[in-house]
Amino acid sequence: GAGVSQSPSNKVTEKGKDVELRCDPISGHTALYWYRQSLGQGLEFLIYFQGNSAPDKSGLPSDRFSAERTGGSVSTLTIQRTQQEDSAVYLCASSSHGTGRGGYTFGSGTRLTVV
Amino acid sequence: QQQVKQSPQSLIVQKGGISIINCAYENTAFDYFPWYQQFPGKGPALLIAIRPDVSEKKEGRFTISFNKSAKQFSLHIMDSQPGDSATYFCAALKPGGTASKLTFGTGTRLQVTL
Repeated sequence: GAGVSQSPSNKVTEKGKDVELRCDPISGHTALYWYRQSLGQGLEFLIYFQGNSAPDKSGLPSDRFSAERTGGSVSTLTIQRTQQEDSAVYLCASSSHGTGRGGYTFGSGTRLTVV
Repeated sequence: QQQVKQSPQSLIVQKGGISIINCAYENTAFDYFPWYQQFPGKGPALLIAIRPDVSEKKEGRFTISFNKSAKQFSLHIMDSQPGDSATYFCAALKPGGTASKLTFGTGTRLQVTL
């Protein structure tokens, strides 16, 4: 597609439930990133996939968070046993260069609300 | 540890004025400094970027000034327009394989008034 596509755009879930957030990056982009944006906060790095390399998971806040990228394309971020503090906008970005110097193209995000 | 500090948190500028947003970094390994612009309900979009071997980069009304010795860089928006009202994020990147991910500042919400 022309841009990075994220789904759903909005998700309301009950505390304790699992959620899956999907990201379709720009075709051919080798690098894919997940960030979290909380109200009034900056962009918090979560995880980074580059080609066939092992993902950089250093930003995942707890073991309730996991992500995978299948076939070097679509990525899914899974949050298990959601908590209210998980409420945020989850942004996915892709880049044509693993170095990120070509700039990231972000999707519009998934707004997650945990009630 | 916040590696990129951004100020101010919010800014109100009159139409036609100059908007200035500042960022400071700690890690001298950073070698690429982009600015992103985010409108409500949208993801951030790359606006302009600079490398530390130049002191200034200009694209239209947007200018990045870079001070390597002070480890600071700033975004200047000349002739600010209401359409510039958005949240702006500075960021920094250090070279190196799988560690190449952007570190973002906390953002500045800019409002340009008529």
